[in-house]
Amino acid sequence: EVQLVESGGGLVKPGGSLRLSCAASGFSITPYTMNWVRQAPGKGLEWVSSITSSSNVLYYTDSVRGRFTISRDNAKNSLYLQMNSLRVEDTAMYYCASDDARGYAFDSWGQGTLVTVTP
Amino acid sequence: QSVLTQPPSASGTPGQRVTISCSGRRSNIGSNFVSWYQQLPGMAPKRLIFMNNQRPSGVPDRFSGAKSGTSASLAISGLRSDDEAEYYCSAWDDSLSGRVFGGGTKLTVL
Repeated sequence: EVQLVESGGGLVKPGGSLRLSCAASGFSITPYTMNWVRQAPGKGLEWVSSITSSSNVLYYTDSVRGRFTISRDNAKNSLYLQMNSLRVEDTAMYYCASDDARGYAFDSWGQGTLVTVTP
Repeated sequence: QSVLTQPPSASGTPGQRVTISCSGRRSNIGSNFVSWYQQLPGMAPKRLIFMNNQRPSGVPDRFSGAKSGTSASLAISGLRSDDEAEYYCSAWDDSLSGRVFGGGTKLTVL
């Protein structure tokens, strides 16, 4: 069974850091672009970042560029998001999602890990 | 303010057909494939439609997608109570070099 399991969320003060992890099982992430998508409480989905299969191209939404860093370890079948200089507006459920085979849509999703940034 | 524009709400009665629209620009919907996602309350999103009108295995053929120019739509026929969910459209945006979502449409089955 294909599964993505996020971890690393929690409560942090503004300016703090967190590192999110996403462990995949039931498939190899190696061929696929991987993504982070977030959802603030009561709000819609917002794409955060993507990383291509060999980590050669990274993409970020403007609001996190320079503060967040996406990475992956194909040998460990895992995806990561290093989040620095966190802001209150970064409070959200963070989902890990794999691209589908053609790379045109998010295919499998994790259940999410909650990040709360509060003074 | 989302890059793609969806109506905030839609509704229908069981058995009816409802359509949810998604409006964008040449840089996103006009140039790239559209996908649709269903998010049931308290759950992670699920892929419903990819490449404008393709259904993954396991998604009923009651769900269909279409695209024309800079707009796309999701149609749900034979509406069921368990279709009550939030629905999101998404596409790559060439100008932003990133993925964009619509604001979501909450579907209520009356």
